[in-house]
Amino acid sequence: GQSLEQPSEVTAVEGAIVQINCTYQTSGFYGLSWYQQHDGGAPTFLSYNALDGLEETGRFSSFLSRSDSYGYLLLQELQMKDSASYFCAVSKNTNAGKSTFGDGTTLTVKP
Amino acid sequence: DTEVTQTPKHLVMGMTNKKSLKCEQHMGHRAMYWYKQKAKKPPELMFVYSYEKLSINESVPSRFSPECPNSSLLNLHLHALQPEDSALYLCASSQPTTRGRHRSFFGQGTRLTVV
Repeated sequence: GQSLEQPSEVTAVEGAIVQINCTYQTSGFYGLSWYQQHDGGAPTFLSYNALDGLEETGRFSSFLSRSDSYGYLLLQELQMKDSASYFCAVSKNTNAGKSTFGDGTTLTVKP
Repeated sequence: DTEVTQTPKHLVMGMTNKKSLKCEQHMGHRAMYWYKQKAKKPPELMFVYSYEKLSINESVPSRFSPECPNSSLLNLHLHALQPEDSALYLCASSQPTTRGRHRSFFGQGTRLTVV
């Protein structure tokens, strides 16, 4: 079977740093992506890791450990607009969209 | 142009109706996808087209019928749907790649209600 586990909810205050973890068990692995989705909106790409290590994109960073089947998304200098659902997704081949998504983490940023 | 455009944005249809969802992208992507997303749930992959050929059909009922007329267009034909098929239907595209960023671009979705 295939499963991705991430926390269902996280709450933090503006300006803080939050880490959303994702562990996965999948039959194939090409890379781990992170998507943000606001209520009523479409998923938007945040970050991608194919190799072990940290990828940094502005306030967002993502980490992958293939040996541990584990990754995380790090959000720094949180802003109210970061309140959204965050999904990790495992892609299994060169087609990024052939992905299995985790159940999502709802992040609430408070003043 | 980094957009995936889906029409219509909202659709209400009866169980005996036939309707189609449309998706268009002009980024030159050669892979396109249909996902279904229920409220508070992750997107679930339905179909994958790679180089205009259906490569994956994730055991979707035959009342959903995909079509890829060309590399920029993707349709989802709907017939005899059930109320439980009510959901947000998302189209996405990506460029098959063995290197670099591995990302999908999603459309805003069609919110479908079956009555």
